[in-house]
Amino acid sequence: AAGVIQSPRHLIKEKRETATLKCYPIPRHDTVYWYQQGPGQDPQFLISFYEKMQSDKGSIPDRFSAQQFSDYHSELNMSSLELGDSALYFCASSSQGPDGYTFGSGTRLTVV
Amino acid sequence: GQSLEQPSEVTAVEGAIVQINCTYQTSGFYGLSWYQQHDGGAPTFLSYNALDGLEETGRFSSFLSRSDSYGYLLLQELQMKDSASYFCAVLANAGGTSYGKLTFGQGTILTVHP
Repeated sequence: AAGVIQSPRHLIKEKRETATLKCYPIPRHDTVYWYQQGPGQDPQFLISFYEKMQSDKGSIPDRFSAQQFSDYHSELNMSSLELGDSALYFCASSSQGPDGYTFGSGTRLTVV
Repeated sequence: GQSLEQPSEVTAVEGAIVQINCTYQTSGFYGLSWYQQHDGGAPTFLSYNALDGLEETGRFSSFLSRSDSYGYLLLQELQMKDSASYFCAVLANAGGTSYGKLTFGQGTILTVHP
């Protein structure tokens, strides 16, 4: 079965650079969520989209923005990167509730 | 907002039974989920309780008491491969989102010894 696809798997950027993370949800899933997980931390909700419209916003810095496109894939754009942005970034998609809430393998962002 | 509490670490031996408790405070509660995460991996869905009671799936069971804002994950016949972090997560109404938003607890590191 198709899963949530995230790219890239690993990304290394320098401070003040920009990064773009991509997420391809499971086909026919209409909701996408972005989470940030720092080392030893729990996943923190950043932002979500339902039917291509932003549906909820969490602890997402103003330096970050996201959108969902007509093909339902989503991109998380991160500018003016800081060392503290180094984390695992997970995307999840859902269509019918918690047991349909599937996480991608994540993008490990390292800011140096 | 939401807040969840779960123990930070639990240690057990192979073949044993372990229970990981989770208490939560939230509004717009839909249900309580449990996820397993191995180092560097994605959270993997284990179970979801929307109603009071026990849900059993193989070696894993999950319990919810909505009136007590409490749940637990029970792992039986522990195996070495069960060593991982376990997160409880509240699914709650998030306004415009049809299916709610997951908020995670801090996670419990389970270490299984031979």
